[in-house]
Amino acid sequence: NAGVMQNPRHLVRRRGQEARLRCSPMKGHSHVYWYRQLPEEGLKFMVYLQKENIIDESGMPKERFSAEFPKEGPSILRIQQVVRGDSAAYFCASSPWQGDQPQHFGDGTRLSIL
Amino acid sequence: QKEVEQDPGPLSVPEGAIVSLNCTYSNSAFQYFMWYRQYSRKGPELLMYTYSSGNKEDGRFTAQVDKSSKYISLFIRDSQPSDSATYLCAMWERSGNQFYFGTGTSLTVIP
Repeated sequence: NAGVMQNPRHLVRRRGQEARLRCSPMKGHSHVYWYRQLPEEGLKFMVYLQKENIIDESGMPKERFSAEFPKEGPSILRIQQVVRGDSAAYFCASSPWQGDQPQHFGDGTRLSIL
Repeated sequence: QKEVEQDPGPLSVPEGAIVSLNCTYSNSAFQYFMWYRQYSRKGPELLMYTYSSGNKEDGRFTAQVDKSSKYISLFIRDSQPSDSATYLCAMWERSGNQFYFGTGTSLTVIP
């Protein structure tokens, strides 16, 4: 999993603060996916991005959550005004192109809300 | 009905046993099928990747896809304690953007 880099690995925020999660895809990969994982639950799709474009954000809550993948730099998942229910592991995956290549995952960011 | 169903287990087997992990799905358009292994507090690691029906073997691992039954399996031969992890199935259709994951099966191989 070293190819996809996520930071921070652990993030603690108080209710109402902002959380920023970063993901650098594997070299040569231009497609990034964000997932949320809760204990005893599977990976829930949130958003799919290509460089400078959001392709599918159907899994992302309409409020407080946003994502970007700028031309330069990592992809960012941003959660504003965090609430206790946002506590989860957030995983980023990347692929060289859509679909008919499998995704490779980072080791996630574990977000805890106090 | 969920897109992908997977028995969460937990599954506990003695070292050396053959393990069978399974997923069923509802969308007949799924064409690409994957198995991931996830250790505690780590990200999912790709184990097997198959397209369409049939078997694919890689070392001790065999992935099997039966599209007529909408059923996929992962077999682990000569299971080792290091195989203890959660195994996730995943699948994708060409016309969609999303990969769909099962909830994962927790496996423990007892020495």
